[in-house]
Amino acid sequence: NAGVTQTPKFQVLKTGQSMTLQCAQDMNHEYMSWYRQDPGMGLRLIHYSVGAGITDQGEVPNGYNVSRSTTEDFPLRLLSAAPSQTSVYFCASSYSPGDEQYFGPGTRLTVT
Amino acid sequence: DQQVKQNSPSLSVQEGRISILNCDYTNSMFDYFLWYKKYPAEGPTFLISISSIKDKNEDGRFTVFLNKSAKHLSLHIVPSQPGDSAVYFCAASASETSYDKVIFGPGTSLSVIP
Repeated sequence: NAGVTQTPKFQVLKTGQSMTLQCAQDMNHEYMSWYRQDPGMGLRLIHYSVGAGITDQGEVPNGYNVSRSTTEDFPLRLLSAAPSQTSVYFCASSYSPGDEQYFGPGTRLTVT
Repeated sequence: DQQVKQNSPSLSVQEGRISILNCDYTNSMFDYFLWYKKYPAEGPTFLISISSIKDKNEDGRFTVFLNKSAKHLSLHIVPSQPGDSAVYFCAASASETSYDKVIFGPGTSLSVIP
């Protein structure tokens, strides 16, 4: 049981490049979410999903896209990277929004 | 505007003493609250939760108190240990409505001094 896995662990992008952060969970959780962590800002919700085929915006969705074609996977796409997207990104999953969330180890992204 | 606030960015406590971490929220729809602990270079891990139908929940050294009228909750750690040194996040959700987001506060960095 791997829990929540995220790849890559580290990534450096140039401004304007695109990439996909991968997230997968093997706990059959319906609820999955993406957060970014910035100093003094805590964990801010980017996008979330309450089940396969259903996604919605969080607090800071601009510049990011998500899709949820399976229960297990919830990739986060950066369309055109900007220095303001330099952050640590965490994926999380749970049975429902109010339940304990299980977090992945994070992806540290730097945009130059 | 932050819906979940943790107004103390950092806190230092002597080993063996009580640590009290505070959290305030503004959205009256929130009815379920969770605390997470985060070590550097790791993902957050769940610590303890409380539903709005309770005013206290206890798990070993950790107790969470909820004051609904004041929209305030606090996490008490007794006795504090050096291994408790971490960032603590308060989170809130609204389980009984269509508002299905989970909102986190900015975190409080706790240092327990041996």
